[in-house]
Amino acid sequence: DGGITQSPKYLFRKEGQNVTLSCEQNLNHDAMYWYRQDPGQGLRLIYYSQIVNDFQKGDIAEGYSVSREKKESFPLTVTSAQKNPTAFYLCASATSFYNEQFFGPGTRLTVL
Amino acid sequence: KQEVTQIPAALSVPEGENLVLNCSFTDSAIYNLQWFRQDPGKGLTSLLLIQSSQREQTSGRLNASLDKSSGRSTLYIAASQPGDSATYLCAVSGGQGGSEKLVFGKGTKLTVNP
Repeated sequence: DGGITQSPKYLFRKEGQNVTLSCEQNLNHDAMYWYRQDPGQGLRLIYYSQIVNDFQKGDIAEGYSVSREKKESFPLTVTSAQKNPTAFYLCASATSFYNEQFFGPGTRLTVL
Repeated sequence: KQEVTQIPAALSVPEGENLVLNCSFTDSAIYNLQWFRQDPGKGLTSLLLIQSSQREQTSGRLNASLDKSSGRSTLYIAASQPGDSATYLCAVSGGQGGSEKLVFGKGTKLTVNP
């Protein structure tokens, strides 16, 4: 089946720890995105990538980092510099920019 | 800066009713508009994508319209069912400067009562 997978589904982080969220797609999409969703707010863009080995900051990139070494993978690291990381994180992909975006099932991150 | 507003924030209807969800955006120079559905604790499911040159798109009981000049889109759901209960989000890309990023509204939470 083609689609986008995210793992883990739930993640708990202690203060001061870095954690990495996985996003994989087998849709052969060039563009990939990371969003953060908080209760009562719209989705906010963290990072996006149009092509392998290239990525751009979104609206709320501080405290996050990404890599795009393979077309199908776009992992997100939440660093200790992110002061309020508890949120629902969504990964998406598209054939290219301005095209329809498809989303993964999400990862819920909780800071203990 | 593009802003997207969805009204109402929540809507409760009896089963079988036809309903309309509204989405407005401040910058009419968009590339496209996308409607999504989100179930609690889940990711987003793409429902319809309307390109800026199009006026509407249909999929089953769903019909989305776009009026760029007025900065509005509507999602029409015919003969609503309890399974339609979810949060519906609209998002636009484009705007002055040609931003490739999607800007989302906060969503309308729909409850269809049996």
